[in-house]
Parts: sequence; structure tokens; C-alpha cells
Amino acid sequence: QVQLVQSGIEVKRPGASVKISCLGSGYVFTNYVIHWMRQARGQSLEWVGSVNCNTGATRYSYHFQGRVTMTTDTSASTAYMELSSLTFEDTAVYYCARDPSAKFDYWGQGTLVTVSS
Amino acid sequence: DVQLTQSPSFLSASVGDKVTITCRASQDINSYLAWYRQRPGKAPELLIHVASTLQSGVPSRFSGSRSGTEFTLAISGLQPEDFATYYCQQFNTYPFTFGPGTKVDI
Repeated sequence: QVQLVQSGIEVKRPGASVKISCLGSGYVFTNYVIHWMRQARGQSLEWVGSVNCNTGATRYSYHFQGRVTMTTDTSASTAYMELSSLTFEDTAVYYCARDPSAKFDYWGQGTLVTVSS
Repeated sequence: DVQLTQSPSFLSASVGDKVTITCRASQDINSYLAWYRQRPGKAPELLIHVASTLQSGVPSRFSGSRSGTEFTLAISGLQPEDFATYYCQQFNTYPFTFGPGTKVDI
């Protein structure tokens, strides 16, 4: 069955970077785009960006002002999101999701990133 | 950015009730709208895509519709697992955006 499994909880200092992974299984990894979203506690979801797992092409939300980098390792069926220059406002649960076309049909379980001094 | 507003923000209901949630877009998004259910502590689950297509495996008590820039999610016969927060999301224009959510509570 299709699964997206994300890496574990992260605690970072302000100014640091965090890199989260998303391992896809049960489907052909390179046939899809992976999107990343985040959700602060008690808030709605925010789209961060996407990576085409076949071509590596990326598209980022301008809200992240060049702080985000999305990559893939097709040999490991894994997508990555790295966010730099962390601030307290980056504390959130980060999700990856698969996009077959205009929908996010499978989601990872979420990765809590806490930015704390 | 395309702004999505949802109403109501909060809805109180009982098992077996029919409820409707509305999502309005700030501009034309064609039918590129999806609906998700999110239970506490869990990832969102896809219910409806392209405004009215039921995702495979989702119960038929969920339905979606569109009228211009207004979209509706209907749940007929609420089940205990439906007490959750519902989000709409648009795929028409980057950056993709989500509505603020509607919490359905007992």
C-alpha cells in the first residue's frame, strides 16, 4: 500500500537549519510530485513548495524567501525539505504529500519541528 | 494569493445529522478545489477533489459541489469519526492555499 513516512521530531536553535525526509513506498516514486505543507499549533495549513520526483524541478512559496530547498534521492525513493535561518515562527508540524494531479491523496504522518532557544 | 474563506468556523452537530460547509474563493479557481478532513493529531485525509469528485475509498455520505467561486462540502449522516476539522484547498494558482478550517464538534 502507498505510504509516506517522515523523519522524526526536530528541535533547533534560532538561526539553524532543519532537513526533513519523506520516504515513499508502494508506488513508483518518480511518477509523482511531492508537496510540503506546515501547520502551526491550532492553525490552518500552509503550502511550502513542491518537487517533481522525476525531473527534480521545484516550486516554492515566495513566503519562504529563498530559505527552503527541496530535493529528492530517487534511488532511495525519498524527498527532502531543508529550511534555513529558522525563527520561532517556524515551529510547526511539517507534512509531505503526494500529488497525482490537483489533489494530495497520501500524506506523511508529520514531523514536529520546534525552534527554541 | 487566492484567499479562501470558510463558513461556519465552528459547527455543533449530532451523529446522524446532515451538515454543509462553504468555501469561497477570492477569485475564479475553476473547479480546482479539494476538501480534507483532519482528525486531532493526524494528517489531513483527502475527501473530494476537483470540487465534486469523491476520492476513491471515501464514503458516499460526503459530497461536493461548486457554484462559481462558492464551493460546498456536504456530509449526510454524520458518523463519530467525522467530528474533526475540515479544510478546503485550491490548486488553480500558486501558491496553493488552504481555507482557515471548519471544526465540527458534538
